[in-house]
Amino acid sequence: GQQLNQSPQSMFIQEGEDVSMNCTSSSIFNTWLWYKQDPGEGPVLLIALYKAGELTSNGRLTAQFGITRKDSFLNISASIPSDVGIYFCAGHRYYGGSQGNLIFGKGTKLSVKP
Amino acid sequence: GAVVSQHPSRVICKSGTSVKIECRSLDFQATTMFWYRQFPKQSLMLMATSNEGSKATYEQGVEKDKFLINHASLTLSTLTVTSAHPEDSSFYICSATGGAVGYTFGSGTRLTVV
Repeated sequence: GQQLNQSPQSMFIQEGEDVSMNCTSSSIFNTWLWYKQDPGEGPVLLIALYKAGELTSNGRLTAQFGITRKDSFLNISASIPSDVGIYFCAGHRYYGGSQGNLIFGKGTKLSVKP
Repeated sequence: GAVVSQHPSRVICKSGTSVKIECRSLDFQATTMFWYRQFPKQSLMLMATSNEGSKATYEQGVEKDKFLINHASLTLSTLTVTSAHPEDSSFYICSATGGAVGYTFGSGTRLTVV
């Protein structure tokens, strides 16, 4: 199935550093969502974006819905060890009067710097 | 907040047998449920979308006779992997949405076929 282009694929963080990741698509989405997934668990919603240009924060997390509706970024400020995990972007699109569905990026894996 | 309960969390079965996975919305009516499959170190891939009382819509390449989906009530959807084979081993995740509740994910089921 279709996927979004998410980068970087992986990154190492040191406590206190800021982290940035982004997703791009050739298609327009109505909604952008950012999820975090811990090993062996389902994704947990971090931030939902509903309007082009929207900038939303959730604690140390900030995400923006690109003005073209084809991209989004997620920033994590002052990272802490529990930020480790896999982050997924997801775009939601309606089609044909249906509920629509989510298309997921390939994920960004955050690990602690050795 | 909205909760989706998925069971079992882990299952090991013999090749050729069938396995049923349940997904329940605990505090909201899930008009639409989604089933995803996630292979190790990969993203979530949508398998099928089911609306309560209707036949599921399967994504291209997903065998509907192998992955039976039932969504008979507004709080329960089941995925049955029939005649499972080792290549069906994966992490299966359900998601539900309904009313004002956006996409809420279950905690996943790790299926191992031996």
